[in-house]
Amino acid sequence: NAGVMQNPRHLVRRRGQEARLRCSPMKGHSHVYWYRQLPEEGLKFMVYLQKENIIDESGMPKERFSAEFPKEGPSILRIQQVVRGDSAAYFCASSPLGAEQYFGPGTRLTVT
Amino acid sequence: DQQVKQNSPSLSVQEGRISILNCDYTNSMFDYFLWYKKYPAEGPTFLISISSIKDKNEDGRFTVFLNKSAKHLSLHIVPSQPGDSAVYFCAASAENYGQNFVFGPGTRLSVLP
Repeated sequence: NAGVMQNPRHLVRRRGQEARLRCSPMKGHSHVYWYRQLPEEGLKFMVYLQKENIIDESGMPKERFSAEFPKEGPSILRIQQVVRGDSAAYFCASSPLGAEQYFGPGTRLTVT
Repeated sequence: DQQVKQNSPSLSVQEGRISILNCDYTNSMFDYFLWYKKYPAEGPTFLISISSIKDKNEDGRFTVFLNKSAKHLSLHIVPSQPGDSAVYFCAASAENYGQNFVFGPGTRLSVLP
């Protein structure tokens, strides 16, 4: 019973490129959350999705960031035209409804 | 404006003694609280939770206490072990926020042998 999977674990992008982060939830979990952790800071909520629906995106920056959780396949967090300030660890979590969230190992994005 | 605060960035405790990690919140709508433990280069791992209808929840060496009037919760680990050395995050949510958890900044616990 695999846990939450995230790939890649490390991603290096030059300024202006696109970053795509993938998250496969635990089997049976239909709720996915994305969090960002900046250096020396706690986890900041970004977006909450169910299959094919964005439920809460109140933590997403207004521009360049988007997320999806299609009917088939992993959830994707997409960052267009990355800037140095996007460098962070991005964590995905999944849960069944109304329960604690299980986190993936994270993707460490470095923008050079 | 931090809704969930963990005012101690770090804490050192001797092996075998009690570790007490504190968390304060400002939003009175929060009614469900969790503690997560995080090792370097790994995702946070769920430890223990408590809902606002309780003031204490215990699971093995871990106990969480909730003081609603003070908007304060604490995690007690006893006895502390070197493997408990990690960053501990407090998280809170409100029913009407769905499952949007607000995390504190974390406290780094070091258990010294």
